[in-house]
Amino acid sequence: EPEVTQTPSHQVTQMGQEVILRCVPISNHLYFYWYRQILGQKVEFLVSFYNNEISEKSEIFDDQFSVERPDGSNFTLKIRSTKLEDSAMYFCASSFGGGPNQPQHFGDGTRLSIL
Amino acid sequence: AQSVAQPEDQVNVAEGNPLTVKCTYSVSGNPYLFWYVQYPNRGLQFLLKYITGDNLVKGSYGFEAEFNKSQTSFHLKKPSALVSDSALYFCAVRFTGTASKLTFGTGTRLQVTL
Repeated sequence: EPEVTQTPSHQVTQMGQEVILRCVPISNHLYFYWYRQILGQKVEFLVSFYNNEISEKSEIFDDQFSVERPDGSNFTLKIRSTKLEDSAMYFCASSFGGGPNQPQHFGDGTRLSIL
Repeated sequence: AQSVAQPEDQVNVAEGNPLTVKCTYSVSGNPYLFWYVQYPNRGLQFLLKYITGDNLVKGSYGFEAEFNKSQTSFHLKKPSALVSDSALYFCAVRFTGTASKLTFGTGTRLQVTL
């Protein structure tokens, strides 16, 4: 069964540094998402992306965050200047369609630790 | 605002017994409801969804969920629990619209013991 893959599985970064989290969505999917899960808390939506544009973003997704689909397969999340509170598990998801009945398929996540 | 609530942090059940993991929702309009499961160090795995139609929805691994509009609930059930079902379960709701976000509950840890 096709899967969403995320790299790296664990990223350790100094506060203030830039970090890029990478995702390869399922190949025929057209809608892409990032979520995060701070340890012990619930999964929170960050951003959705379709047709090379952001469709929706949460208040968490401020100017420090950006997303990009640099080629036909990768989908990246960049945090420009990391803060301690950015430490979390970041999940990429994709779906074939964008309708609300379409399930989103998640990767295994990247654990981001900010020191 | 749309939201889901999972009132139990943990559910304990013996293997072979039926299990229920509770979820209630609050949305304006028709809800699109989902259950996901998360095993340790893994991502969220889709189990089932309710869009419209039959109130009893069947999903993966023998799980099912019952949509109850009057009680605004969408409880996850399984007739006979397995130890391997032990995991974190998330209820989620989605609004109408394109590329809309999933809003998750806080999660319920299911512990199935022998």
